[in-house]
Amino acid sequence: KAGVTQTPRYLIKTRGQQVTLSCSPISGHRSVSWYQQTPGQGLQFLFEYFSETQRNKGNFPGRFSGRQFSNSRSEMNVSTLELGDSALYLCASSFAGAKDEQYFGPGTRLTVT
Amino acid sequence: GQQVMQIPQYQHVQEGEDFTTYCNSSTTLSNIQWYKQRPGGHPVFLIQLVKSGEVKKQKRLTFQFGEAKKNSSLHITATQTTDVGTYFCAGPILWGKLQFGAGTQVVVTP
Repeated sequence: KAGVTQTPRYLIKTRGQQVTLSCSPISGHRSVSWYQQTPGQGLQFLFEYFSETQRNKGNFPGRFSGRQFSNSRSEMNVSTLELGDSALYLCASSFAGAKDEQYFGPGTRLTVT
Repeated sequence: GQQVMQIPQYQHVQEGEDFTTYCNSSTTLSNIQWYKQRPGGHPVFLIQLVKSGEVKKQKRLTFQFGEAKKNSSLHITATQTTDVGTYFCAGPILWGKLQFGAGTQVVVTP
């Protein structure tokens, strides 16, 4: 079966702009989680969606938001970009949530200048 | 808050040697998952342990879940260059939240 896809793969934005990242989960998976990965910071949990509802949210400012559509595809949005938002953004899909194995997408590399 | 900690942060290994990376949770976990991320890649699921004291093997990799379900270990024997990468443990904190450890970055010297 097709894996998790993320678009775009690379993105360069200017401070103050906003960005939308997309994630298409594996068919049949209803849970989509988003993570921010920066060097030395590991995987920081952003939020998780299940059946179009946000179930959990990490400790990120309100500039970070997301949503999930009825086909389980998910988007995350970052408004008013800051230099510190430069990171690899990973999404992971699973059948039902954190107790299941997670399938990660290749990530979107965001650079804020 | 609930935390999952991993040690060591870095592991330099001579090819052919063994090493172990450890994972500790501040709370009891329903399961522990292990992932591997190659340089430039994304995390890939390796294994999940569910039962207290469970031990699972994948070729040269041995995974163990502690009796109290609060700690886990990954032991690699006869390290090869293909083992290079960062190994993460992770435990479910809430239905939708998987807490990852900081990872152990493994560098293999031929």
